[in-house]
Amino acid sequence: DAGVIQSPRHEVTEMGQEVTLRCKPISGHDYLFWYRQTMMRGLELLIYFNNNVPIDDSGMPEDRFSAKMPNASFSTLKIQPSEPRDSAVYFCASSFPPFRTGGKLTDTGELFFGEGSRLTVL
Amino acid sequence: GNSVTQMEGPVTLSEEAFLTINCTYTATGYPSLFWYVQYPGEGLQLLLKATKADDKGSNKGFEATYRKETTSFHLEKGSVQVSDSAVYFCALRIWGRRAGNNRKLIWGLGTSLAVNP
Repeated sequence: DAGVIQSPRHEVTEMGQEVTLRCKPISGHDYLFWYRQTMMRGLELLIYFNNNVPIDDSGMPEDRFSAKMPNASFSTLKIQPSEPRDSAVYFCASSFPPFRTGGKLTDTGELFFGEGSRLTVL
Repeated sequence: GNSVTQMEGPVTLSEEAFLTINCTYTATGYPSLFWYVQYPGEGLQLLLKATKADDKGSNKGFEATYRKETTSFHLEKGSVQVSDSAVYFCALRIWGRRAGNNRKLIWGLGTSLAVNP
């Protein structure tokens, strides 16, 4: 099975330009997460969706950032306008819903990460 | 509040050495605990987990025991290999009837491990 697919893998752009990062989650996963990773701040959750609906966007840095999930198989993270401090690796992750085994509800919450999109804003 | 504290790296070991990466947490409620690993140039992947006190998670020779009394979840491996060189992240999740279906993980800052041949 294909894992979480992100594109582009690398993006170099100039300050002020619009950046769009894309993510295709694993089929059947109904949660999708956008993370940002930097040396200074580590791993930060930006936003996550459940069934295409944003559940928590409290980590979105500011209005320059926006995320959409128009359907179950696609999400975008957009930065407009981009700034040098946005330089980071952006990860998309997905996870599957709770399920029942032997009458017991199991919800591991395991995240499946993509390989990341490395963004450099000059 | 909820938080995870990991030992700072980088950790440098020789092949076949014993590894311990410390992780302690503070949490309201009853967390599930996780170790994720990030190999160079890749995304994170789940290494092991434990969902209740005294549970031991294990995978690929790594182990961690959920210690409620010391609020710890230290990662150990008896004999590391060069291929274990990676960044290791400890994380927790509060979920359940009171917390609701909260899918947010609280992450440590990561500990970089380098294993030399």
